[in-house]
Amino acid sequence: DIQMTQSPSSVSASVGDRVTITCRASQGISSWLAWYQQKPGKAPKLLIYAASSLQSGVPSRFSGSGSGTDFTLTISSLQPEDFATYYCQQANSFFMFGQGTRLEIK
Amino acid sequence: QVQLVQSGAEVEKPGASVKVSCKASGYTFTSHAIHWVRQAPGQRLEWMGWIYAGNGNTKYSQKFQGRLTIIRDTSASTAYMELSSLRSEDTAVYYCARGLAVAGVFYFDYWGQGTLVTVSS
Repeated sequence: DIQMTQSPSSVSASVGDRVTITCRASQGISSWLAWYQQKPGKAPKLLIYAASSLQSGVPSRFSGSGSGTDFTLTISSLQPEDFATYYCQQANSFFMFGQGTRLEIK
Repeated sequence: QVQLVQSGAEVEKPGASVKVSCKASGYTFTSHAIHWVRQAPGQRLEWMGWIYAGNGNTKYSQKFQGRLTIIRDTSASTAYMELSSLRSEDTAVYYCARGLAVAGVFYFDYWGQGTLVTVSS
């Protein structure tokens, strides 16, 4: 199984900050990676798919990059509604999620 | 608009089975797959399996082989997930999600609201 590891596990930031979250796959997955946002008690929301494609309706401050084993999600200027948990998910071989990164208000 | 509406919370005893439904609307049900993903308290999301609503083909995570059954009723635009031989570790929120097919792989673009399944004696 391909394992997904995110870092950091949690991060504190302020409104307006630029934040980067990293996801590493245990083996190469080309660009078959997605990012999701989840708020407490809610279902996940697709933000980015195919490593860098922005899902329809998602603000352009979210961006994704990477290929192979190393990927990043960047939020260019944090907004109050962005404080949530973020998960990466590989789609190369079945579907494995990372352990999540909790983005908290500083 | 695309919506996936799941059935309500369930409480089951160890060894029992649970069946959760996922009713789709706002798109052509038979043109997409429906996936099932669960999340135990404080844990990461865990993919369980999927069904292609067009032909009923299924694929399950090896972890759930033999315990998981996913079916669909095209006349009702509804998918069902049944998990048997329940144990306490199966306590989780279960989500259905629509598969977004991109170059032969799936991402999950719309999600149901989740169904809490509690396994307790």
